[in-house]
Amino acid sequence: ELKVEQNPLFLSMQEGKNYTIYCNYSTTSDRLYWYRQDPGKSLESLFVLLSNGAVKQEGRLMASLDTKARLSTLHITAAVHDLSATYFCAVDPRKLIWGLGTSLAVNP
Amino acid sequence: ETGVTQSPTHLIKTRGQQVTLRCSSQSGHNTVSWYQQALGQGPQFIFQYYREEENGRGNFPPRFSGLQFPNYSSELNVNALELDDSALYLCASSSPGEGYGYTFGSGTRLTVV
Repeated sequence: ELKVEQNPLFLSMQEGKNYTIYCNYSTTSDRLYWYRQDPGKSLESLFVLLSNGAVKQEGRLMASLDTKARLSTLHITAAVHDLSATYFCAVDPRKLIWGLGTSLAVNP
Repeated sequence: ETGVTQSPTHLIKTRGQQVTLRCSSQSGHNTVSWYQQALGQGPQFIFQYYREEENGRGNFPPRFSGLQFPNYSSELNVNALELDDSALYLCASSSPGEGYGYTFGSGTRLTVV
């Protein structure tokens, strides 16, 4: 059974600091997704990573994929309060299997 | 029309009742998936439809059923509601030509009392 594990599950950061969220998955998958969810809201697509070694960046967020290690990272650079949200990774294009999410709080 | 729209946004039902949730897919997307997200959890895959046929199902009982229509809109039906069915229900549409990206609707918050 495909499992997706994220860590940490909770992250409290100071503004201006850098941090990385990790996403491990248990079987081969050549596609990985990162989504953002604000409280009570739907899921916003951040990145779709389609191949080994893929790296994508958008603003202060950068995602990478290592399919051999079955690992994706979401790196946050110089965090700002607006990044406070829950971040999910998911694998498998036919039926997305999700991690539990990382609840990020960026404090002044 | 762009984006995925779901209705209703909120719903309260009594245990044992039946409910129908609706989803209008993003224009050009022929695949729709439904997910259940309990509070504080990640979404759980319910099922997927492609061109009006069920194309995959998660670990949900038969009382969860769906339909996809020729215009690619979709319904999720849940019979004999249980308290544990209380959750946010999300639909997502996609098209293979777009790198398997998914566009999610804003969800329906179902409360079973």
